[in-house]
Amino acid sequence: QKEVEQDPGPLSVPEGAIVSLNCTYSNSAFQYFMWYRQYSRKGPELLMYTYSSGNKEDGRFTAQVDKSSKYISLFIRDSQPSDSATYLCAMGKSNFGNEKLTFGTGTRLTIIP
Amino acid sequence: GAGVSQSPSNKVTEKGKDVELRCDPISGHTALYWYRQSLGQGLEFLIYFQGNSAPDKSGLPSDRFSAERTGGSVSTLTIQRTQQEDSAVYLCASSLGNPGNTIYFGEGSWLTVV
Repeated sequence: QKEVEQDPGPLSVPEGAIVSLNCTYSNSAFQYFMWYRQYSRKGPELLMYTYSSGNKEDGRFTAQVDKSSKYISLFIRDSQPSDSATYLCAMGKSNFGNEKLTFGTGTRLTIIP
Repeated sequence: GAGVSQSPSNKVTEKGKDVELRCDPISGHTALYWYRQSLGQGLEFLIYFQGNSAPDKSGLPSDRFSAERTGGSVSTLTIQRTQQEDSAVYLCASSLGNPGNTIYFGEGSWLTVV
């Protein structure tokens, strides 16, 4: 079993819809939770990060962490065609920025105009 | 440049040949990472350098893979006697190396072994 599980999709939704992306994990040592966005043939870019359980909002994006269920989510409101990309969840144990991260496989998202 | 720079961006090589992939991290970043991304797979950690500390090589898949970082800046990932299963995107990333610092990725080196 992988430490981090993520549905690879693909996921297609109409423009303006709310998108929900999710990851589950098995290692309770993870404390830092990140979402990266990766456009085709580009490197991943950090979208959101949270520490421990709770919610974090940034514009149209909301990240949720439920450590009791070992489940994290990324919500995208009012989705735009420019949101079409692969979204990767990533997790770290202690020193985010100073340690290796464990990534999910990524979910490929397409927003249909 | 402003970001993590990787070269070559694309490389096609014959099975059994050696390849070298280069990474120029963001200036001042002490932490440098190599990850591999294969089709349908997540990013797989390969190796991590932090300042003058011994690198964390725990992710290197075999002894055909090695990496070095000269002068605390540029890094080279070397794959010897390449195999077809080595075909992947090799991503380099860097950060300031402190807790909470963002890790920035380059655009990757796309390696195809034929």
